[in-house]
Amino acid sequence: DIQMTQSPSTLSASVGDRVTITCRASQSIGSWLAWYQQKPGKAPKLLIYMVSTLEGGVPSRFSGGGSGTEFTLTISRLQPDDFATYYCQQYNTYSLTFGGGTKVEIK
Amino acid sequence: QVQLVESGGGLVKPGGSLRLSCAASGFTLSDHYMSWIRQAPGKGLEWVSYSSRSGSTRYYADSVKGRFTISRDNDWSALYLQMDSLRAEDTAVYYCARHRSGSSLNYFYGVDVWGQGTTVTVSS
Repeated sequence: DIQMTQSPSTLSASVGDRVTITCRASQSIGSWLAWYQQKPGKAPKLLIYMVSTLEGGVPSRFSGGGSGTEFTLTISRLQPDDFATYYCQQYNTYSLTFGGGTKVEIK
Repeated sequence: QVQLVESGGGLVKPGGSLRLSCAASGFTLSDHYMSWIRQAPGKGLEWVSYSSRSGSTRYYADSVKGRFTISRDNDWSALYLQMDSLRAEDTAVYYCARHRSGSSLNYFYGVDVWGQGTTVTVSS
């Protein structure tokens, strides 16, 4: 099974900061990688799919990149609404796997 | 509007069974692959199972294989998860989730619609 490792697990940042979250796959996963945002007590929200395609309605300060086994989610200028937990997710024919999550908290 | 509403969660003893339901509205269920995804208290997200549009192809996480069964009734716009031989580690919020339009066996464009979740607690 493909394992997804996110880092850091917690990130302390201030409004206006540029933050980057990394997701590493245990083997090459092609382009089937998505990112989600989850706030406490709520269902996750799709931000990005196919590594770098922004879901409709998602602010352009969010961007995704990477290839092979290493992928990133970048928030260019952190806003108050962005403090949340972020998950990467890979897909292959037989399974979907989430990373362990990165909590972005206020410094 | 596009919506998924789960039901069927509750408290069950170890070894027991539970059947979760997910009612889809605002879209045609048969157009989409669907998944069940769970989240244990204070933990991250864990994919449980997914179903192809017709229900003929189904895959499961190793942690539930042989105990859980996903099924769907496209005529009634419903997705199900039959959970047998439940264990304490199955305790979680279970989300019904829609694969984004265009997703198939060989293409994945993310999970774009989620239900509000239903809580399953396995405890004696």
